[in-house]
Amino acid sequence: AQSVTQLGSHVSVSEGALVLLRCNYSSSVPPYLFWYVQYPNQGLQLLLKYTSAATLVKGINGFEAEFKKSETSFHLTKPSAHMSDAAEYFCAVTPGGDSSYKLIFGSGTRLLVRP
Amino acid sequence: DTGVSQDPRHKITKRGQNVTFRCDPISEHNRLYWYRQTLGQGPEFLTYFQNEAQLEKSRLLSDRFSAERPKGSFSTLEIQRTEQGDSAMYLCASSSDPNGYGYTFGSGTRLTVV
Repeated sequence: AQSVTQLGSHVSVSEGALVLLRCNYSSSVPPYLFWYVQYPNQGLQLLLKYTSAATLVKGINGFEAEFKKSETSFHLTKPSAHMSDAAEYFCAVTPGGDSSYKLIFGSGTRLLVRP
Repeated sequence: DTGVSQDPRHKITKRGQNVTFRCDPISEHNRLYWYRQTLGQGPEFLTYFQNEAQLEKSRLLSDRFSAERPKGSFSTLEIQRTEQGDSAMYLCASSSDPNGYGYTFGSGTRLTVV
């Protein structure tokens, strides 16, 4: 069964520093992969998605992610953190096939940005 | 279009009471989903509607849970005889795409069972 693992429940960076949030997936078929952001008491907002086109995916707010099949990874990066990036980030995968409408989420990584 | 609306935003109820949540999807979206998110976890799939048909129910959705989407428009999620373990954020999402992308999430209903 498909699943995602997010390494690190909390990541703390200084404002202006590189952001790296890790996500590894397990999938028996080529996956669709997603990163979502959730601000306190809000729903989830799509940051970016990988759908088997380019392996480097650019999203909103300066975030990007690279699909690496050999490492089964889809890590999220941003060159320079901003205070407004502080939120919880979720990696997700779709099972594919008849259940491709369903999202399977990781447990999330809370990003803290220090001034 | 104002996106996906959920009502209420917060609900506090006593154990054993019934609660009902409402979700209004984006009007042109024919697919609607319910997810549950407990503290410190990612959302978990509960159920999926295509138009008015409920096409999948997770095993997380016990007999105390029921969801409807009459006429393929808004949806309701009812929990009967609430338990403390039902305390969570209940998220609704809608889409017009069959492949997991194109989801728009609502802001959720936070349920606290005391």
